[in-house]
Amino acid sequence: QKEVEQNSGPLSVPEGAIASLNCTYSDRVSQSFFWYRQYSGKSPELIMSIYSNGDKEDGRFTAQLNKASQYVSLLIRDSQPSDSATYLCAVNADRGSTLGRLYFGRGTQLTVWP
Amino acid sequence: ETGVTQTPRHLVMGMTNKKSLKCEQHLGHNAMYWYKQSAKKPLELMFVYNFKEQTENNSVPSRFSPECPNSSHLFLHLHTLQPEDSALYLCASSQDPAGGYNEQFFGPGTRLTVL
Repeated sequence: QKEVEQNSGPLSVPEGAIASLNCTYSDRVSQSFFWYRQYSGKSPELIMSIYSNGDKEDGRFTAQLNKASQYVSLLIRDSQPSDSATYLCAVNADRGSTLGRLYFGRGTQLTVWP
Repeated sequence: ETGVTQTPRHLVMGMTNKKSLKCEQHLGHNAMYWYKQSAKKPLELMFVYNFKEQTENNSVPSRFSPECPNSSHLFLHLHTLQPEDSALYLCASSQDPAGGYNEQFFGPGTRLTVL
């Protein structure tokens, strides 16, 4: 069973702070990693993809990947109340497969208060 | 229309009804997926269609029946559902599921309530 674990939260930060979301995964052959944002009552929205070790920055978002530690994180700088949502970590662990299956964590609920 | 669309957005049905969910992707992708999202549970993959061929049935009960007539359309036929099947049903598509990158894009979902 391939598992993706996230701290369930809720995580609460003040506006302007850095929010740090963490994810660990069980399968060492995992090759691609994704962060989705899901507002209450809405569907998941892809916000970051990362495939190699290190950092990837996109605006206020930075994804960090450490395959040796089987760890991926998402940092949100200058957090805004509009960032309040549940953040889902997803991992593609089916190397060589045509299935394209993603394994999802349960999500971390983030609240940014003004 | 852009992205991935789903209809209906909300559905209430009795346990003896038959209904269908529809998904359409306007992204030119090659794979489509059905997911179920229940409260307090991770997203559960139900079915995968890659290049129109069903390639995964993730131990889904037979009361859920998928259909993929072409690479842009995906249906989920429902019959004799149970109240525990009430959930948000999400459709997703991706360009290259075998390529290792496999960014999946979701539709808005159908909120299903089974009475």
